[in-house]
Amino acid sequence: GQNIDQPTEMTATEGAIVQINCTYQTSGFNGLFWYQQHAGEAPTFLSYNVLDGLEEKGRFSSFLSRSKGYSYLLLKELQMKDSASYLCAAMDSNYQLIWGAGTKLIIKP
Amino acid sequence: GAVVSQHPSRVICKSGTSVKIECRSLDFQATTMFWYRQFPKKSLMLMATSNEGSKATYEQGVEKDKFLINHASLTLSTLTVTSAHPEDSSFYICSARRDRDRDLYGYTFGSGTRLTVV
Repeated sequence: GQNIDQPTEMTATEGAIVQINCTYQTSGFNGLFWYQQHAGEAPTFLSYNVLDGLEEKGRFSSFLSRSKGYSYLLLKELQMKDSASYLCAAMDSNYQLIWGAGTKLIIKP
Repeated sequence: GAVVSQHPSRVICKSGTSVKIECRSLDFQATTMFWYRQFPKKSLMLMATSNEGSKATYEQGVEKDKFLINHASLTLSTLTVTSAHPEDSSFYICSARRDRDRDLYGYTFGSGTRLTVV
């Protein structure tokens, strides 16, 4: 079956760095997405990886290892506004997104 | 950038009534529309996928007669929750995709609809 695993909740300190891991199993693979979702709002796109390696975009970076079925989202210089849920989603061979349950990130001052 | 307008953002309805949720792509043609449901602290659950002009494909366990989806044009898709019950209370989100093969970034979400059935 198809499955996405990511931690339920993480806590970090303002100004620090946090890494949110995601492992996936899908029927075929067409890329790995990370989305940010604030409570009561729709998800917003953060990153997309389809090739192995690290993609850096400002304070956020995303890494992919296709052989390991593994990705992580790295958030640097954490700000209070980064408190949100972070959703990992893998795209299968039918271009459908398979969603993880999300990781709730709590930022403390 | 691409925008999907979803209305209403919040709705409270009585048990047994029907509610229609609209999603409009404002500056692009949505070839495919996905409808999701999200319960508190849970992930997005895909309910159905619809392509313009054809019948929607429902995920296993989703009642097609209860959740009516219409994708009559490339810019409008609607989800109607018929004979709503309290257990249908949830956050419903649409997501539009522009081109299946070329634009893998083309997933644009609506702002969501919080449905409460009393």
